[in-house]
Amino acid sequence: DQQVKQNSPSLSVQEGRISILNCDYTNSMFDYFLWYKKYPAEGPTFLISISSIKDKNEDGRFTVFLNKSAKHLSLHIVPSQPGDSAVYFCAASELAGTYKYIFGTGTRLKVLA
Amino acid sequence: DAGVIQSPRHEVTEMGQEVTLRCKPISGHNSLFWYRQTMMRGLELLIYFNNNVPIDDSGMPEDRFSAKMPNASFSTLKIQPSEPRDSAVYFCASSLNEYNEQFFGPGTRLTVL
Repeated sequence: DQQVKQNSPSLSVQEGRISILNCDYTNSMFDYFLWYKKYPAEGPTFLISISSIKDKNEDGRFTVFLNKSAKHLSLHIVPSQPGDSAVYFCAASELAGTYKYIFGTGTRLKVLA
Repeated sequence: DAGVIQSPRHEVTEMGQEVTLRCKPISGHNSLFWYRQTMMRGLELLIYFNNNVPIDDSGMPEDRFSAKMPNASFSTLKIQPSEPRDSAVYFCASSLNEYNEQFFGPGTRLTVL
């Protein structure tokens, strides 16, 4: 049973517009969440994280929102750029800083020039 | 820094054959992780080593899978005998310790015919 779900396998967005990637989780014990980005033929790289004590974390063009009551988080990319085209993985853990991440299946984002 | 190095990058083998995947972590990193990525299940943690000692192998799917870390700069993941359902991308990652960011290698794409 998938504890972290990314229900949209793919998403296409026009360059300059906002990209919104969604992630749902079922385990109420999760309190730390991360987004990883993966280009073809490369390994995933850490993008941004959020602790459950916050509902928003921003880093440049990337913002992650957390809605604990809905067990939902989202990654917003504004403005989207062609270089953002990649697979994005959502991950969660029960403790901040622990090694045990539960990953979703990923969403492939394509930003159209 | 060369990053995490994995070999081979691609492996095609026949059912029943032994497969060995290799990983060289980033120098100075004390934690090493093996992950498997499939379309259906996303990224799954298989095993975690700390200071060359296996700490958590709860993700290893069955006895056909084994992993070793004979020294701080080398680890192997072996599948014997391999089966078609083992076809996936296998990632190795390393971190300074279990609480730090994990850096992923480029992965090994395994196809078992």
